[in-house]
Amino acid sequence: DAKTTQPNSMESNEEEPVHLPCNHSTISGTDYIHWYRQLPSQGPEYVIHGLTSNVNNRMASLAIAEDRKSSTLILHRATLRDAAVYYCILGMNYGGSQGNLIFGKGTKLSVKP
Amino acid sequence: DAGVIQSPRHEVTEMGQEVTLRCKPISGHDYLFWYRQTMMRGLELLIYFNNNVPIDDSGMPEDRFSAKMPNASFSTLKIQPSEPRDSAVYFCASSLRVAGKLPYEQYFGPGTRLTVT
Repeated sequence: DAKTTQPNSMESNEEEPVHLPCNHSTISGTDYIHWYRQLPSQGPEYVIHGLTSNVNNRMASLAIAEDRKSSTLILHRATLRDAAVYYCILGMNYGGSQGNLIFGKGTKLSVKP
Repeated sequence: DAGVIQSPRHEVTEMGQEVTLRCKPISGHDYLFWYRQTMMRGLELLIYFNNNVPIDDSGMPEDRFSAKMPNASFSTLKIQPSEPRDSAVYFCASSLRVAGKLPYEQYFGPGTRLTVT
């Protein structure tokens, strides 16, 4: 399975933007890029996904490199509630059916007031 | 929607005892996943079901672990006998897969924290 590489940890100040990077150099042409996050003492939750184009939703933005070998999750204004572990995951596409999500270690984001 | 429901939220048991974890997926979802999370190994997929049928149990650590899904609204993960190394947080997740429409989001429950002494 294609793997992703993320920094172990990052820090941010409250109300500042945060850019969380992810490298996925072995991504195949049909694989989706998913981001999940896990708040302390909770189960993971979906954040955003993309294929080729940049994506925006109410939680975050996803910027995907033109060659798709890397992506960046953007939190426009970090809040204390955004402190979590962020997982970048490749959703393998097997002929139109999605493979299982394989969670790595993720990036632990700390937000300082 | 109530989301994925897991019970109990916390379980403390002694080594050798049988442990049963329960999960109620989101109504209408056709996939159910059991994960285990530890500090050392992170989040690992144990088994998943599609339409109540086990599809892949290659992540189940050993024969002491078993999972069932008797109907679309209920699943159990059983450990018998339990050992201290089984201590972890166990998550259940569900997903609705629509043919030709990717990707599928997984919705996770709050988890069951298991401690085996």
